[in-house]
Amino acid sequence: DVVMTQTPVSLSLAIGQPASISCKSSQSLLGTSGKTFLNWILQRPGQSPKRLIYQVSKLYSEVPDRFSGSGSETEFTLKISRVEAEDLGVYYCWQGTHFPYTFGAGTKLELK
Amino acid sequence: EVQLVESGGGLVQPGRSMKLSCAASGFTFNNYDMAWVCQAPKKGLEWVATISYDGSSTYYRDSVKGRFTISRDNAKSTLYLQMDSLRSEDTATYYCARLGHYWGQGVMVTVSS
Repeated sequence: DVVMTQTPVSLSLAIGQPASISCKSSQSLLGTSGKTFLNWILQRPGQSPKRLIYQVSKLYSEVPDRFSGSGSETEFTLKISRVEAEDLGVYYCWQGTHFPYTFGAGTKLELK
Repeated sequence: EVQLVESGGGLVQPGRSMKLSCAASGFTFNNYDMAWVCQAPKKGLEWVATISYDGSSTYYRDSVKGRFTISRDNAKSTLYLQMDSLRSEDTATYYCARLGHYWGQGVMVTVSS
């Protein structure tokens, strides 16, 4: 199985500060289609997950452009240019290239 | 508006069965692969199973192979998860998902005597 390793485990930031979360996979997520199925989701407290980014860097239409994703092969990063209150929760990366699909353990973003 | 509404959870004894349902609306259900993802209490997310848009292909994580069955009824826009031989470690919130896009609110399954 592909192991997804997220760091840090938690982040404590003030409103307006930037955030960066790393996600590393144990094998390349570049699929035979030429696409890399690395995605990011956010689970706010007490809620189900919500989509953020797909195929490494593509933002869903409702996601603010302060979010960005980058990376390739086995190393990926989620960045928030300026944290806002609604951004708190647990961020997960997950891969949809290889079965079984696997998730990172999550990064908890707390507000300072 | 896309909605995925799970039902069928609750308390069940080890070794018994339970069937989850997920009613989908707001999109053309039979165009999309669907999945179940679970989350044990205070833990992270774990993919359980995926079914292709037409039901012809199914995929499972190893720990549920032979015990869980994912299925769908495209005429009813409904996804199912039949869970047999349940174990205490299956205790979790189960989310129906159009994976990568939309998630249901989740349904809790507790396996305990």
